[in-house]
Amino acid sequence: DAKTTQPDSMESTEGETVHLPCSHATISGNEYIYWYRQVPLQGPEYVTHGLQQNTTNSMAFLAIASDRKSSTLILPHVSLRDAAVYHCILRVAPGANTGKLTFGHGTILRVHP
Amino acid sequence: NAGVIQTPRHKVTGKGQEATLWCEPISGHSAVFWYRQTIVQGLEFLTYFRNQAPIDDSGMPKERFSAQMPNQSHSTLKIQSTQPQDSAVYLCASSSWDRGTEVFFGKGTRLTVV
Repeated sequence: DAKTTQPDSMESTEGETVHLPCSHATISGNEYIYWYRQVPLQGPEYVTHGLQQNTTNSMAFLAIASDRKSSTLILPHVSLRDAAVYHCILRVAPGANTGKLTFGHGTILRVHP
Repeated sequence: NAGVIQTPRHKVTGKGQEATLWCEPISGHSAVFWYRQTIVQGLEFLTYFRNQAPIDDSGMPKERFSAQMPNQSHSTLKIQSTQPQDSAVYLCASSSWDRGTEVFFGKGTRLTVV
């Protein structure tokens, strides 16, 4: 059963800041929010993850709602290389018996020149 | 760091033949995962190992599929009597269990059963 809900696709233009939403209304207290992205002919690539606080790294900013029922991956100044399928995934805390990632279909991000 | 290495990148087998897919996880990673990806089903979890021991194989088809991890440097996924519906990209991934933050994926093996 899918535990996250994402839009099927989003469109953007190079240089824009993109906001990718994810809904996870039934998230458990020990579940982290992970984001991965995948381009054709490659395996998924880690983008970022968080538990409760907003996080930032060189790739993206992850904004997590205070009730943790939703999150938004923010990609600043996108380029054509950011075109990919973006997956929002819930994962039980590291060290638990199950650390697998359960993927949905994700959001296809299209970036136009 | 060469990342997770999967071989071969492409494999074509005849219906009914056996296919063995290889994965070399990142050195020092104790968790190894196998996934299957198709257009229709997307990315499906198959199985994973921790310190070479099978932990969760809930995604493995009950017949014809088996996975092993004989040592910490490689894992294999074997499909016996391959069928056309087994055609997919098979992805291997690894992570450091203690930290467990990032899961690193290989580029996958594209299996085509003709």
